[in-house]
Amino acid sequence: EIVLTQSPGTLSLSPGERATLSCRASQSVSSSYLAWYQQKPGQAPRLLIYGASSRATGIPDRFSGSGSGTDFTLTISRLEPEDFAVYYCQQYGSSTGFGQGTKVEIK
Amino acid sequence: QLQLQESGPGLVKPSETLSLTCTVSGGSISSSSYYWGWIRQPPGKGLEWIGSIYYSGSTYYNPSLKSRVTISVDTSKNQFSLKLSSVTAADTAVYYCARHSGWLRDWGQGTLVTVSS
Repeated sequence: EIVLTQSPGTLSLSPGERATLSCRASQSVSSSYLAWYQQKPGQAPRLLIYGASSRATGIPDRFSGSGSGTDFTLTISRLEPEDFAVYYCQQYGSSTGFGQGTKVEIK
Repeated sequence: QLQLQESGPGLVKPSETLSLTCTVSGGSISSSSYYWGWIRQPPGKGLEWIGSIYYSGSTYYNPSLKSRVTISVDTSKNQFSLKLSSVTAADTAVYYCARHSGWLRDWGQGTLVTVSS
């Protein structure tokens, strides 16, 4: 079973700043089968990134994903007010599972 | 546009079986490109994948829940269902259904199921 560990647990930033979120896997994720989601309170998660670096339909280009093997990163180039939320990574190379989440909060 | 809607009891007693249905509209559950899955989220906590099913009926489950989970599909009704047996308070969560091809692009709005006597 692949375990995903996200860091930091909470990221306190101001609008306009750059956010860098990490997702580390306990084993290599095959074919970069890694996705990122954004979740706001009371809402279902929204797909942002799949295949480690491909943006989902309608996702602004300030969101980007990178990485391979066991280390993956979600970058938000300039935080907009609507970007403050919880972010989850998910691997789907070996069964599937989620990281524990990173909360991006307003500083 | 594809829509998914969860339905079922919002309250289940301990030791009983939780049953939920996901109705798919705006697309066919028999599409060969997708799996259909269940994910849950306890209040204030993270996401946990429960299991998934293909339209043909093949399934795969989270090993930690496998002994208690059954997912089935009814292509005639464009629905798939979740049964989770022997529930405890730890099974209290928002339950989501979703369409996926690895990544989960389309989600239902979620339904809160509380386990309590």
